[in-house]
Amino acid sequence: DSGVTQTPKHLITATGQRVTLRCSPRSGDLSVYWYQQSLDQGLQFLIQYYNGEERAKGNILERFSAQQFPDLHSELNLSSLELGDSALYFCASSVEAWTGNAYEQYFGPGTRLTVT
Amino acid sequence: DQQVKQNSPSLSVQEGRISILNCDYTNSMFDYFLWYKKYPAEGPTFLISISSIKDKNEDGRFTVFLNKSAKHLSLHIVPSQPGDSAVYFCAFGTDNYGQNFVFGPGTRLSVLP
Repeated sequence: DSGVTQTPKHLITATGQRVTLRCSPRSGDLSVYWYQQSLDQGLQFLIQYYNGEERAKGNILERFSAQQFPDLHSELNLSSLELGDSALYFCASSVEAWTGNAYEQYFGPGTRLTVT
Repeated sequence: DQQVKQNSPSLSVQEGRISILNCDYTNSMFDYFLWYKKYPAEGPTFLISISSIKDKNEDGRFTVFLNKSAKHLSLHIVPSQPGDSAVYFCAFGTDNYGQNFVFGPGTRLSVLP
């Protein structure tokens, strides 16, 4: 158990809809990262937040947005959903924005999103 | 633009033998190099890392090698155990204000008893 929790575990929704994925980082971790893993693909970095502020952006679509709240939990909002958005969405957390020698991130179990 | 390649999507190794997983990358700006492993229905788990100033880092049965001139990263597992069967991702980061990580597509390792 990494200490990172994600809800829901599974989500099935229709095209055009909007969903919110939630992540609670490990206790004490200030950084939260979101990743997308499509079928047979590697992990695609979407976005990073550090202590409530956006710190880095990756391949995140304009239809997607995220935020980190004062209690450090984070939400990833996906809107105008398309079939191609079906994927596993992982959240990860780390102690600081960067730790110098290793960027050890702790991953949650993921949310499987199916868009029909 | 594929910055990272793991040319072997799968690898089978006999228990007790060495497993060698490889990654090639193109971005010379990467500063940190990591390996994660992932079991089905779980998130990736950090395994081992190496900074750009080193060429080798060892942790028990796991050794990571970095060849910066060849832009090549490898993971050696010796001896391999059936519990090592998982998908292994190499990951790369830059020493910037914002951490923008790049993960490889993964190699599925099967260690046969």
